[in-house]
Amino acid sequence: EMQLVESGGGLVQPGGSLRLSCAASGFSINKYWMSWVRQAPGKGLEWVANIKQDGSDIHYVDSVKGRFAISRDYAKNLLYLQMNSLRAEDTAVYYCARDQDVHDSQSDVWYDVYDIWGQGTIVTVSS
Amino acid sequence: AIQMTQSPSSLSASVGDRVIITCRASQGIRNELGWYQQKPGKAPKLLIYGASTVQTGVPSRFSGSGSGTDFTLTISSLQPEDLATYYCLQDHNYPRTFGPGTKVDIK
Repeated sequence: EMQLVESGGGLVQPGGSLRLSCAASGFSINKYWMSWVRQAPGKGLEWVANIKQDGSDIHYVDSVKGRFAISRDYAKNLLYLQMNSLRAEDTAVYYCARDQDVHDSQSDVWYDVYDIWGQGTIVTVSS
Repeated sequence: AIQMTQSPSSLSASVGDRVIITCRASQGIRNELGWYQQKPGKAPKLLIYGASTVQTGVPSRFSGSGSGTDFTLTISSLQPEDLATYYCLQDHNYPRTFGPGTKVDIK
């Protein structure tokens, strides 16, 4: 069975740092784009960042640019999210997701398909 | 960033009812839109991508349509296990953006 498992969440003070990890079983994350998505308590989903298979293309939502960094460890088959200068508004459940490119040959369009999700890890930023 | 809106924000329907959720993009996104279902306390689950392609394993009562700026998710016959919040997500450009969600309750 293919699955993702996040870890590294916890309670941190404003201005502090945390590193989240995402481990895959049943497939290699090295073959796929990978993403982080978060959900603040009682709120909707917010896309945070993604990274291409070889790390050559990375994107972030504006609210985390300059503070968060997505990366991979190819040898360990792990995805990371380094979070610095944390703020109260970063409090959320953080999900990693496999970000699969699916090609429609008829229209020659590529779609981002978030087809496998982890169970999430909770990050709380509070003094 | 492309803004996504959804309507209604919540609805209550009976088992067997036809349910329609709409999603609108602030600019044209072709058909680069997905629908995700999130049950309480669970991670999201992919239902539909490319606006109308149903993901393998998703029940046939779920369907999607639309292109450009206006999209719909239809549940043809609501089942008790469909109690969830439904989100649209545009993958036309960055940053990817979700709609605010539609909460579906069972009467």
